[in-house]
Amino acid sequence: DQQVKQNSPSLSVQEGRISILNCDYTNSMFDYFLWYKKYPAEGPTFLISISSIKDKNEDGRFTVFLNKSAKHLSLHIVPSQPGDSAVYFCAASGNQFYFGTGTSLTVIP
Amino acid sequence: KAGVTQTPRYLIKTRGQQVTLSCSPISGHRSVSWYQQTPGQGLQFLFEYFSETQRNKGNFPGRFSGRQFSNSRSEMNVSTLELGDSALYLCASSSWRGGPTDTQYFGPGTRLTVL
Repeated sequence: DQQVKQNSPSLSVQEGRISILNCDYTNSMFDYFLWYKKYPAEGPTFLISISSIKDKNEDGRFTVFLNKSAKHLSLHIVPSQPGDSAVYFCAASGNQFYFGTGTSLTVIP
Repeated sequence: KAGVTQTPRYLIKTRGQQVTLSCSPISGHRSVSWYQQTPGQGLQFLFEYFSETQRNKGNFPGRFSGRQFSNSRSEMNVSTLELGDSALYLCASSSWRGGPTDTQYFGPGTRLTVL
């Protein structure tokens, strides 16, 4: 049973525009959420995280929003750059890490 | 500080064989987790080791096993390989498991192909 879901397998955005990647989870006990970025032939690299006591966390061009009542989080990338083209995984921390299936982002120059 | 290393990077086996994959965590990290990544399934948690003890296990058959050594290096073994075991196997290390700042750092993965 997939406890963390990313319903959009792919997303294309023009360079300079905003990219919004979405993630839903089912377990209300999750208290820590992370986003990872993965390039081909490399392992995922940590991007940004958020604790359940917050609803927003910002790091440069990357902002993660958490809506606990909707069990939804999103990653905003502004402005999007071609180097952001990668697969993005969201993850939730419980007794283990639960990962979504990933969203492939393509930023078009 | 050196990152997480995994060997080998690529492996081709045939059905029924067994395979052993190796992972060396970041120096000082005591927790090692293993994941299987297949298209459309994301990263599926296999198991986690901390100080040579398996702390958590995912929903995989007993053909998948692992161990951790005193230097925190870890191995995972898959016996009686099936075609469906073809995947990217990722290892991740973290310093401590359970805290809000416990970020996992991933290795590049081992690409296993079962023919």
